[in-house]
Amino acid sequence: NFMLTQPHSVSESPGKTVTISCTGSSGSIASNYVQWYQQRPGSAPTTVIYEDNQRPSGVPDRFSGSIDSSSNSASLTISGLKTEDEADYYCQSYDSTYVVFGGGTKLTVL
Amino acid sequence: QITLKESGPTLVKPTQTLTLTCTFSGFSLSTSGVGVGWIRQPPGKALEWLALIYWNDDKRYSPSLKSRLTITKDTSKNQVVLTMTNMDPVDTATYYCAHRVAVAGDWFDPWGQGTLVTVSS
Repeated sequence: NFMLTQPHSVSESPGKTVTISCTGSSGSIASNYVQWYQQRPGSAPTTVIYEDNQRPSGVPDRFSGSIDSSSNSASLTISGLKTEDEADYYCQSYDSTYVVFGGGTKLTVL
Repeated sequence: QITLKESGPTLVKPTQTLTLTCTFSGFSLSTSGVGVGWIRQPPGKALEWLALIYWNDDKRYSPSLKSRLTITKDTSKNQVVLTMTNMDPVDTATYYCAHRVAVAGDWFDPWGQGTLVTVSS
C-alpha cells in the first residue's frame, strides 16, 4: 500500500525558515494532489496547503507547498516562523481506492 | 458555512460495535462531488483515514480496517454513520468526520471537532 513518510520532528528559531518533507513510498507522488494540515494541541486539523501548493483563504503566504518528482516527495515550507506555527503537520494524498496520511511532524519553534 | 459534528458513545467495551454519527450543515450529500470522510487519531499518535462516502453512494475503506467498517449516509437528515465492529482497546482514539472538498481528488475541509472514544472493559 502507498505510504507517506514524514520526519518525526523539526525545530527552528522564530523568524527562520523550515521545510517539512513528505516522501511517497511507491508510484509518483506527483500523480495525485498532496495536502498539508496543521493541528494544534486539542484541536482538529485545519488545511494550510491543498492541491500541492494552494493556500486556503486566511492562511498566510509564509506557508508554501511544492512537489519534487526526482525525490518523490512533497514539501511544506514555512518562512518567517512565528511561535504560533508550533504544531503538528500532516501531509495527505490519495489514490483511486484510498486516502493516506503521513505520520505527522512536530514543529517546535524555539 | 460548513460545519460537522460527531456524536456517539464515549466508552465501549471490547468486542462491541461502535456506531458514530456525523451531523453536518452547509452542504448537501446529494450534490455532485461532495463526500464525507472519517479519520481517527489515537492519543498522541498520527491521523489515520478510515472511510469515505461520496454523493453517489460510492464508498471507500481503509484496506487494513475494511472488514470491520461500514459507512452509510442519510441525505435527508444530513448525516453520515460509521460503524466499526469488534472494538479493541487499540481502537481508543478521537474520531473525526470531515467534509470532502468537491473538486479533483480526495481531501478534507473542514473537520468536525472530534469525539473521543475509549475502549475498555
